[in-house]
Amino acid sequence: DGGITQSPKYLFRKEGQNVTLSCEQNLNHDAMYWYRQDPGQGLRLIYYSQIVNDFQKGDIAEGYSVSREKKESFPLTVTSAQKNPTAFYLCASSIGETTNTEAFFGQGTRLTVV
Amino acid sequence: AQSVTQLDSQVPVFEEAPVELRCNYSSSVSVYLFWYVQYPNQGLQLLLKYLSGSTLVKGINGFEAEFNKSQTSFHLRKPSVHISDTAEYFCAVAQRGDDKIIFGKGTRLHILP
Repeated sequence: DGGITQSPKYLFRKEGQNVTLSCEQNLNHDAMYWYRQDPGQGLRLIYYSQIVNDFQKGDIAEGYSVSREKKESFPLTVTSAQKNPTAFYLCASSIGETTNTEAFFGQGTRLTVV
Repeated sequence: AQSVTQLDSQVPVFEEAPVELRCNYSSSVSVYLFWYVQYPNQGLQLLLKYLSGSTLVKGINGFEAEFNKSQTSFHLRKPSVHISDTAEYFCAVAQRGDDKIIFGKGTRLHILP
């Protein structure tokens, strides 16, 4: 079945540690996205990538980093510089190529800093 | 840059009553518009989308939305809600020629028995 897989579903991190969230898609989509979701704030764009080896900052990129070495994969690293990392993180992909159809979402990773 | 405003953070409605969830957008160029639904602790699922053509768009689960360019709105409607429609609903916009998708803050739909 085609889709987007995020792992793990739940993640606990000690303060001061970096952590990497995985996102893999087998939809052959060019564009991939990372969003952060907090109660009452909707989805805020962290980073997005329109093509392999290229990515752009979204609205809240500080304290995060990404890579796009393969079309299928777009991992997100939450660094120790992110002051309030506890949130629900959603990865998405779309066909891209500026023909913008809908985004397909993974099931999310809930990150908790302890 | 584009932006999305969902005017109501929560909407309570009785079962089998009609509902409208409001969405306004801002963009200097033509846009694509979307409505997504999110059930607790899950990702988002597409309800419907407007890309071009007819301004009345029908989606899954009996939902529909109307694109109004003059009012820059894309309100979501359902003539009769069911308890299973309890969820959070997100409006989203993407500018033509740009893959960046921006979401509103969401509207929680509460179905009252």
